[in-house]
Amino acid sequence: DGGITQSPKYLFRKEGQNVTLSCEQNLNHDAMYWYRQDPGQGLRLIYYSQIVNDFQKGDIAEGYSVSREKKESFPLTVTSAQKNPTAFYLCASSMSQGGFSGANVLTFGAGSRLTVL
Amino acid sequence: AQSVSQHNHHVILSEAASLELGCNYSYGGTVNLFWYVQYPGQHLQLLLKYFSGDPLVKGIKGFEAEFIKSKFSFNLRKPSVQWSDTAEYFCAAGGATNKLIFGTGTLLAVQP
Repeated sequence: DGGITQSPKYLFRKEGQNVTLSCEQNLNHDAMYWYRQDPGQGLRLIYYSQIVNDFQKGDIAEGYSVSREKKESFPLTVTSAQKNPTAFYLCASSMSQGGFSGANVLTFGAGSRLTVL
Repeated sequence: AQSVSQHNHHVILSEAASLELGCNYSYGGTVNLFWYVQYPGQHLQLLLKYFSGDPLVKGIKGFEAEFIKSKFSFNLRKPSVQWSDTAEYFCAAGGATNKLIFGTGTLLAVQP
């Protein structure tokens, strides 16, 4: 089955610790994204990557870092600099912009819920 | 600035009632419009999309949405809701950068 796998599903962290959330896709999609979902605020874009070894900041990138060394992988690190890291994190992917069919349609993973103690 | 507004935060309906969820967007240039749905315990998934052509688009499970360019709107409709439509609904707008902007979501509860 093609899809996006996020791990861990639940994660607890002490203040001051960095944590890395995994996101792997086997859809052969070029673009990958990280969103943060908070109640009443919808989905806010953290980082996105349209191609391997390249990524751009989204709207709320402060306190987060990413890498894109492989097409299928886009891990997100929540650093100790993130002031309010407790949230639900969603990874997504899409085919690259260019064709009509499938342009900008996102496939989402099941999410990772991070709680800072 | 680019933005998507969903004015209904919580909607409660009885089964068989009609549904309309509002979505307004502000987005420069050519825009693609989407509705995504998140059923309890499930992944976010695409409900329907508009890229061009007929402004009335039909999606899964009997949902439809109408793109009204003059009103910058893309409202979601369903003539008769079911209990299984209970979910959170997100409107989104995207363009050439491949970057989507989401609204804050509407939580729909359908009472049997």
